[in-house]
Amino acid sequence: DTGVSQDPRHKITKRGQNVTFRCDPISEHNRLYWYRQTLGQGPEFLTYFQNEAQLEKSRLLSDRFSAERPKGSFSTLEIQRTEQGDSAMYLCASSFLWGGPSFDYRGELFFGEGSRLTVL
Amino acid sequence: AQSVTQLDSQVPVFEEAPVELRCNYSSSVSVYLFWYVQYPNQGLQLLLKYLSGSTLVKSINGFEAEFNKSQTSFHLRKPSVHISDTAEYFCAVSEDAGGTSYGKLTFGQGTILTVHP
Repeated sequence: DTGVSQDPRHKITKRGQNVTFRCDPISEHNRLYWYRQTLGQGPEFLTYFQNEAQLEKSRLLSDRFSAERPKGSFSTLEIQRTEQGDSAMYLCASSFLWGGPSFDYRGELFFGEGSRLTVL
Repeated sequence: AQSVTQLDSQVPVFEEAPVELRCNYSSSVSVYLFWYVQYPNQGLQLLLKYLSGSTLVKSINGFEAEFNKSQTSFHLRKPSVHISDTAEYFCAVSEDAGGTSYGKLTFGQGTILTVHP
C-alpha cells in the first residue's frame, strides 16, 4: 500500500505522559499536514510542512505540541504532558504543492487512517 | 476566517432514493469548496471540488454539488443512492489566497449518510 500511513493507530496514555505519533506521507508529496478530529466534529487544521519547513501553525497547537519533518519525508507530532482534552483522532495528510496544466491538485489532501489518542 | 455548517448530522435514506446533504459556508474572501468522504475504517478521501469555472461539479460515482455564491452553499446530491454510499461526508472550504492556503481546510461537522436496503 502506497498511501499515507500513521503509527500507532491507537494510543492510551495517562495524563501527564508524553506521546509521539508518526506519519509517513506518499513519497512524492512535498506537503504534509496534521489535523485533529474530536468526536462529532470535523477535522481541524493544526500545522503543515512544505518539505522540511514548518510553514504555519494553528493557534490550537499549544506549546505542549511540537511537530517535525526532519528530512522532508516522514513527520512526527509530539504531545508533552498530555491532558484529557488532548483525547482525539490525529490525522495526517499529504499533497502535491498544486500540480500543473494537466492536473490541479489544489485542496486535494490524501489522508491517513489516523492515530487515536485516549488520555486517562 | 471561514466557517462551514453542515445542516444535518445524520441522513437515513432507502436504496435508490435521491439524497441531498446540505452545506453552507461563510468567508470574507473567495473560496475553494470540497466534499470529502470517509467510509468505515478508512481515511478521508476527496469526493469532488469546486475551484473555478462551472458551478456544477461531479464525481465519478454519481454525486454532484453546485456552488451557489449568493446563498453561500455547496450542497451535495445524488439522484439514486446505493448501499455502498453509506459513509460520513464532510464539506470543507479553503481560501483562494495562493499556495499557502491550498491544503488548509476548514471542515464542517460531518453528515452520516446511512443507506438502507
